[in-house]
Amino acid sequence: AQKITQTQPGMFVQEKEAVTLDCTYDTSDQSYGLFWYKQPSSGEMIFLIYQGSYDEQNATEGRYSLNFQKARKSANLVISASQLGDSAMYFCAMREGHTGGFKTIFGAGTRLFVKA
Amino acid sequence: ETGVTQTPRHLVMGMTNKKSLKCEQHLGHNAMYWYKQSAKKPLELMFVYSLEERVENNSVPSRFSPECPNSSHLFLHLHTLQPEDSALYLCASSLRLETYTDTQYFGPGTRLTVL
Repeated sequence: AQKITQTQPGMFVQEKEAVTLDCTYDTSDQSYGLFWYKQPSSGEMIFLIYQGSYDEQNATEGRYSLNFQKARKSANLVISASQLGDSAMYFCAMREGHTGGFKTIFGAGTRLFVKA
Repeated sequence: ETGVTQTPRHLVMGMTNKKSLKCEQHLGHNAMYWYKQSAKKPLELMFVYSLEERVENNSVPSRFSPECPNSSHLFLHLHTLQPEDSALYLCASSLRLETYTDTQYFGPGTRLTVL
C-alpha cells in the first residue's frame, strides 16, 4: 500500500490566487513528520514546510501553510497569492519514527502550473 | 549560498565508462543520502550514511558504489551502467538520522545519461 498519496498529477492556478495541493498518508506510527518540497525544472528539491505529528497548530512559512488533519491523515499544502515562479513539481513526504526506521518516503508529486 | 552542492550537474557516459558523482554539504550535518529520480517514478532512496557509516543500502546494483570519506563529502562511483540507469541523482543531507523531525536538504542533482 502506498504510504504517501498525491492524487493530483497536475494543477492549474491563476496568478495571485490560492491553491491547495492534496496529500494523504498512511502510518501506524504515533510519531512522524510531514514535509513538502518544491522541485523546479532545474531539478533541485527545495524544502518548504514541516509539520510534526504532535504539533497542534498548522505550520506556516510565508505564503505556504500546511492544512494538517490528523484524524483524516491528510497534510495538504496551501500556497497563497500564487506567483509565476511557483510553477514546479511539489512533493509531499513523511518520515516515520522507530517503526519506520526514520526513512523519508516521498509521494509521486503534483505538477503546478501558474497562469499569468 | 548553497548548502549542498553536487558535481557534475550533467554527465553523459557510455556503458563501459567509470565515473564518479560528488556531493558536498556545508551545513554541519551528520547524515547524507543518495536518491535516484527516474521519469514518472517516485524518488528512490539508494544509500544512507550516518557519521560516515553506511546504514542503508536499498538493494542497489553493485555497479553503484558509494563512498563517504567524512561527514561533509559523499561520492557515488559508477561503472558499467545500463541505459535504464539514466536519471537525476540527488544528494541530500540532514542533521541527525534518528529522529522523525529530521529535515533533508537537497543538492541540485546530477542528470545522468547512459548511452
